[in-house]
Amino acid sequence: EAGVVQSPRYKIIEKKQPVAFWCNPISGHNTLYWYLQNLGQGPELLIRYENEEAVDDSQLPKDRFSAERLKGVDSTLKIQPAELGDSAVYLCASSPGPGEEETQYFGPGTRLLVL
Amino acid sequence: AQKVTQAQTEISVVEKEDVTLDCVYETRDTTYYLFWYKQPPSGELVFLIRRNSFDEQNEISGRYSWNFQKSTSSFNFTITASQVVDSAVYFCALGDNTGGFKTIFGAGTRLFVKA
Repeated sequence: EAGVVQSPRYKIIEKKQPVAFWCNPISGHNTLYWYLQNLGQGPELLIRYENEEAVDDSQLPKDRFSAERLKGVDSTLKIQPAELGDSAVYLCASSPGPGEEETQYFGPGTRLLVL
Repeated sequence: AQKVTQAQTEISVVEKEDVTLDCVYETRDTTYYLFWYKQPPSGELVFLIRRNSFDEQNEISGRYSWNFQKSTSSFNFTITASQVVDSAVYFCALGDNTGGFKTIFGAGTRLFVKA
């Protein structure tokens, strides 16, 4: 079974430029998560989707970050404009269901460097 | 408040030594779930184990074992006879329904296993 797929794996951009990350979850997984991981820290949730609905976006900086999951399968996370402090790894994860008991399965992440 | 503390930032051992990674959690929920993930240099978080709050039985899987103690709110992870391939960052995570379902991660413990 294929795991969570993310692209690109690496991205280098100038500050103030836009950037987008793509995630395809494990087939059949209805819940999708985007996490931010800063160097030396654990993942921090940005947004959680159940199917196509964003059910927890309280930690998403909505002035510059946006996300969508139009058909309830793959998802895109966008930053516009990027700032130096956005340099981090952006992780996507999926789980079969929405509960706190669910195991989340992670993709390899997109490592973003903003210059 | 929901919190996960991994007090050990880095641990260095020599191959074949046993090593224990500590995890202490805080939650007000009586039902919750604890997880351990491994993050090798490739960056992808790999699921290792999930325990629910009602099951305090210790678990062993090959060289890995987990000690869950509700009395001390700890969920420690031991690797027996460590190998170089065990070198990675290990994250402990807590999933509960405090204020809505959430999973939070500790800051991680970086394990170096030297040959």
